[in-house]
Amino acid sequence: GESVGLHLPTLSVQEGDNSIINCAYSNSASDYFIWYKQESGKGPQFIIDIRSNMDKRQGQRVTVLLNKTVKHLSLQIAATQPGDSAVYFCAERTDGNKLVFGAGTILRVKS
Amino acid sequence: DVKVTQSSRYLVKRTGEKVFLECVQDMDHENMFWYRQDPGLGLRLIYFSYDVKMKEKGDIPEGYSVSREKKERFSLILESASTNQTSMYLCASSLGQANSPLHFGNGTRLTVT
Repeated sequence: GESVGLHLPTLSVQEGDNSIINCAYSNSASDYFIWYKQESGKGPQFIIDIRSNMDKRQGQRVTVLLNKTVKHLSLQIAATQPGDSAVYFCAERTDGNKLVFGAGTILRVKS
Repeated sequence: DVKVTQSSRYLVKRTGEKVFLECVQDMDHENMFWYRQDPGLGLRLIYFSYDVKMKEKGDIPEGYSVSREKKERFSLILESASTNQTSMYLCASSLGQANSPLHFGNGTRLTVT
């Protein structure tokens, strides 16, 4: 079936280091991918998205990489800050406007 | 900024009660969604709506219904609440065009005792 998974449930990084959060997806027909950040007590917040006709997209301090060959998605955060501590979800769009979400990765930033 | 507002942050209900969760968005979005979020399971889609008075079942619709009488409002209804419906409920909205990101509310934590 369709699924979105994460390799690491928890990632701890030192403040100022770069973070890489990984995600594997299973549906090769998925054509749109999104990363969300969820802070404690809040709903998921959109970070960045990428379409399947791209392999890289950059935002402010964040980069998403898409490798369709191995069905892998990653989120890179440059110069990680304490405010980046949150749960990060990847999601894939498989059918119309329906998104399938992964279980989430906890990012902890150590000062 | 898009604002998606869920009427309650916390709700405690008894088994068998009828429960209404309300969601309002202020950006004239066509699409609205209800998810539930449980530890280790991620977000699972309950119902969604592409337009007023339209609804589609998501992945886990059993035990739920929805109502969309106005474009800005999408209600989730638990006809007879059960303890396994204790969860965090998240409402979201998006534009009608393809590849539009979802914008989420801050959630309603429902406890059914």
